[in-house]
Amino acid sequence: AQTVTQSQPEMSVQEAETVTLSCTYDTSESDYYLFWYKQPPSRQMILVIRQEAYKQQNATENRFSVNFQKAAKSFSLKISDSQLGDAAMYFCAYRWGGATNKLIFGTGTLLAVQP
Amino acid sequence: GAVVSQHPSWVICKSGTSVKIECRSLDFQATTMFWYRQFPKQSLMLMATSNEGSKATYEQGVEKDKFLINHASLTLSTLTVTSAHPEDSSFYICSASTQGVAQHFGDGTRLSIL
Repeated sequence: AQTVTQSQPEMSVQEAETVTLSCTYDTSESDYYLFWYKQPPSRQMILVIRQEAYKQQNATENRFSVNFQKAAKSFSLKISDSQLGDAAMYFCAYRWGGATNKLIFGTGTLLAVQP
Repeated sequence: GAVVSQHPSWVICKSGTSVKIECRSLDFQATTMFWYRQFPKQSLMLMATSNEGSKATYEQGVEKDKFLINHASLTLSTLTVTSAHPEDSSFYICSASTQGVAQHFGDGTRLSIL
């Protein structure tokens, strides 16, 4: 069975600094997708970034980038130039590449941004 | 684009009553909708997957008779919590997808059973 692990329950970063959130996963599939979702206090789920397993190039979305290590089954999120609005719970998620697009979520990392 | 509306956003009701939560895809047709439950400071737990026109597939441990899911059209799925009790109090989130990769989430419903 596929699993997603986030080993950092909480993280803190100074405004304008860089922080990296860790995520590892376990799967026997070769075709899959990985996501980072942000959940602010409003509890809305916001897609931050996604990575297709078949792509070697790491995904980037403005200040957000990932370090995708397929062999190590690692998918970390780097937030550059952290802003107060980045404070939220961040969830790593896995989706198999087959017909069903069910997501498996990690336990989340609560990110605090210090002014 | 890809907006999902969930209603109500907050509901309080008495123990023993049934509560219906709606999930609508506003600008796309959702072939599949998902229902999640989230406890405070915890992750999202998938309850069930519903495909338009067919019965929902429930995750292990989720009571089918307690949580009734209907996906009657490509833009609407409903979750009915039947005979709700205080332990059913939680945050419920729906998401919708087409045949693409991404899931689009509603804003969630806070359910409080007194």
